[in-house]
Amino acid sequence: AQRVTQPEKLLSVFKGAPVELKCNYSYSGSPELFWYVQYSRQRLQLLLRHISRESIKGFTADLNKGETSFHLKKPFAQEEDSAMYYCALSSYGGSQGNLIFGKGTKLSVKP
Amino acid sequence: GAGVSQSPSNKVTEKGKDVELRCDPISGHTALYWYRQRLGQGLEFLIYFQGNSAPDKSGLPSDRFSAERTGESVSTLTIQRTQQEDSAVYLCASSLGATGERETQYFGPGTRLLVL
Repeated sequence: AQRVTQPEKLLSVFKGAPVELKCNYSYSGSPELFWYVQYSRQRLQLLLRHISRESIKGFTADLNKGETSFHLKKPFAQEEDSAMYYCALSSYGGSQGNLIFGKGTKLSVKP
Repeated sequence: GAGVSQSPSNKVTEKGKDVELRCDPISGHTALYWYRQRLGQGLEFLIYFQGNSAPDKSGLPSDRFSAERTGESVSTLTIQRTQQEDSAVYLCASSLGATGERETQYFGPGTRLLVL
């Protein structure tokens, strides 16, 4: 079964500290992985997707097929990074277009 | 341009009543998705429309849930005989298509449903 696991409900770090939000997935095909973010009182929005191999707002994520992981990392956290982060999986190129989401990790960056 | 819009933003209803939630996708987006987010949970897929193809209803939790879409525009999600466990935020998203770069989903603000 397709599944996305985010083991941490809450992650609290101090400003300037490195941050890593964990995401593991189970999927038998060729997955496409995403990170979505929801800032306070804003709508859910795409942060990055693995196929683009971009760095957005200093965040990066590498797909590790051996470990079936897609952890989100940032070397120096900022207060404005505080938000809910959701890892999501989509079957690539198939007829199924919906995303499968993890339960989310709330990141709190303290001053 | 305008993003995905949803109405109402909040809905309080009594158990057993029917509710209808509306989603206006981004113009030109052929794919439309409905998700549900219950308190403390991740987003749960409900239904997916892609162009004129038959919708993927595999995520609908029961036959009390149904959704329609008029062409490639507005969609309505209907919940009949609401139950308290239907209380959740219902999110709509749209995308240009469903594969490759076109599948980036843009989300609406959600409708918060409370069933008393």
